[in-house]
Amino acid sequence: GAVVSQHPSWVICKSGTSVKIECRSLDFQATTMFWYRQFPKQSLMLMATSNEGSKATYEQGVEKDKFLINHASLTLSTLTVTSAHPEDSSFYICSAISLAGALDEQFFGPGTRLTVL
Amino acid sequence: GNSVTQMEGPVTLSEEAFLTINCTYTATGYPSLFWYVQYPGEGLQLLLKATKADDKGSNKGFEATYRKETTSFHLEKGSVQVSDSAVYFCALSEEYGQNFVFGPGTRLSVLP
Repeated sequence: GAVVSQHPSWVICKSGTSVKIECRSLDFQATTMFWYRQFPKQSLMLMATSNEGSKATYEQGVEKDKFLINHASLTLSTLTVTSAHPEDSSFYICSAISLAGALDEQFFGPGTRLTVL
Repeated sequence: GNSVTQMEGPVTLSEEAFLTINCTYTATGYPSLFWYVQYPGEGLQLLLKATKADDKGSNKGFEATYRKETTSFHLEKGSVQVSDSAVYFCALSEEYGQNFVFGPGTRLSVLP
């Protein structure tokens, strides 16, 4: 149980295009989903917190107009990287907290590797 | 702000060796502390957690004790296996399900 999926697992795109990454909780409803960015050999950096039906809360320094987050349902959140540039290349990871579980326990997706040419 | 510091890796051990990965934290309040593990090609998984001082989290032979006096949460295992090879992240959350802060991760390689 408590499985989180991400799609796609990897994507390559041209500079200037937009890319959408989906995060789904497969067997539970998620009150809150988080989006992280992980640079090579570095830790996870929290980008934003999203709650179903409300606007995402972005961390300081994260451009909300560039990283659009939509949490449309209790099982789906999407991250859209708009007008992507090579510096946006990274590993993006989502996590979710179960509606029925411990509020401090996150379940992580496997990540999406984005490469912008 | 809150922060988590971990010992730098990579750590390379022989099978059945004793493992310690140090983790110290800085927080203004009373955070919950976690160890997550990331196996190759997989997402992070919760390994263990402790929610208050002197609590010991344990799972799969791994243990960590919440030490408020030293602001530490060191991960230990008495006898590692090749299958324990992974990246281990120490993390804290100061509010229920919010404000997670992760350490940089420590890569562990266990050789047969």
